[in-house]
Amino acid sequence: DIQLTQSPSFLSASVGDRVTITCRASQGISSYLAWYQQKPGKAPKLLIYAASTLQSGVPSRFSGSGSGTEFTLTISSLQPEDFATYYCQQLNSYLITFGQGTRLEIK
Amino acid sequence: EVQLVESGGGLVQPGGSLRLSCSASGFTFSSYAMHWVRQAPGKGLEYVSAISSNGGSTYYADSVKGRFTISRDNSKNTLYLQMSSLRAEDTAVYYCVKDRGWYFDLWGRGTLVTVSS
Repeated sequence: DIQLTQSPSFLSASVGDRVTITCRASQGISSYLAWYQQKPGKAPKLLIYAASTLQSGVPSRFSGSGSGTEFTLTISSLQPEDFATYYCQQLNSYLITFGQGTRLEIK
Repeated sequence: EVQLVESGGGLVQPGGSLRLSCSASGFTFSSYAMHWVRQAPGKGLEYVSAISSNGGSTYYADSVKGRFTISRDNSKNTLYLQMSSLRAEDTAVYYCVKDRGWYFDLWGRGTLVTVSS
């Protein structure tokens, strides 16, 4: 199975900061990568799919990039509602895996 | 309103069985593949199973293969997950998820399954 490793696992930042989360795949996955946001006690929410396509309704401060084995999720200016846990997810030959998560907390 | 609502979770003994249901509304259920994803308490997301829009194809993660069965009834807009030979490590919140090309664009609120004696 393809492993996804997110870094960092924990991130402390302030409102207005620009933050970047990285997701590395153990082998190439083209652009078959998505990002999700999960708040405590809630279901995950799709933010970005196909590595860089913003899901409808998601604020434009979120962006994704990358292909192959390295991908990034960037939040251009953190808002209070962005403090959550973020997961990447890959699809390769129908073997779906998730990264271990990045917890983003208020500094 | 577009939504998924899971039910059927609860406490079950190791080796026992449980059937989860997911009721869909607000979209054409029969047009979409559907999935189950789970999350153990305090842990990350784990993919469980998928079923095609007409129910003709299914997929299972290795961790549940041979023990779980996914199915659907398009006439009732309902997705199911039959779980048997349950283990402590199956304890998790189980989410019903709508497909968007093997990405997941609509999630239910989840139902908690606890496997314990």
